[in-house]
Amino acid sequence: LAKTTQPISMDSYEGQEVNITCSHNNIATNDYITWYQQFPSQGPRFIIQGYKTKVTNEVASLFIPADRKSSTLSLPRVSLSDTAVYYCLVPYDYKLSFGAGTTVTVRA
Amino acid sequence: DADVTQTPRNRITKTGKRIMLECSQTKGHDRMYWYRQDPGLGLRLIYYSFDVKDINKGEISDGYSVSRQAQAKFSLSLESAIPNQTALYFCATSESGGTGYTFGSGTRLTVV
Repeated sequence: LAKTTQPISMDSYEGQEVNITCSHNNIATNDYITWYQQFPSQGPRFIIQGYKTKVTNEVASLFIPADRKSSTLSLPRVSLSDTAVYYCLVPYDYKLSFGAGTTVTVRA
Repeated sequence: DADVTQTPRNRITKTGKRIMLECSQTKGHDRMYWYRQDPGLGLRLIYYSFDVKDINKGEISDGYSVSRQAQAKFSLSLESAIPNQTALYFCATSESGGTGYTFGSGTRLTVV
């Protein structure tokens, strides 16, 4: 089962782009990469999922290189409301925890 | 109504008491999970169930038990609560393919 590694924290300012890279060196062939967002005292919320190359939705973009051993979540033009914890998760890895995630703090 | 509903939202209980946290879902998902979150930490898996007759231990199952009463209901019990079980508890569901989880709003449990 794949294990993920991501930075503990990142700081940014409003209007900037935030990129969070997650390592998953042992990802299985069939595994997708999924990212979640969690605000304080709320459950995590699904934001994006991908298998390879690039995926974009109204919230974020996800870049996955050809070897799939890492992925980068890109949050364009962040605002104060994007301050949250972001988790990288490889589905089917249900026996492992989400980990501490990356705490993104956006400042004015 | 929320897709995944947890009750109660908050609970204070005494050491040694038995307590049950309940989770119900309207997503129609087969898979359900119980996670625990401690301040500054991520979510740790307690138990998971892939269908009504399938119950599996997660990373930190000691001191907990679960019951899958129906596809839509998954309860977590603390048989004899202890202070270090004070945490935020989340229930989640996913489809059989497991490609996305839907979480409840959480139950904040305090054991005194």
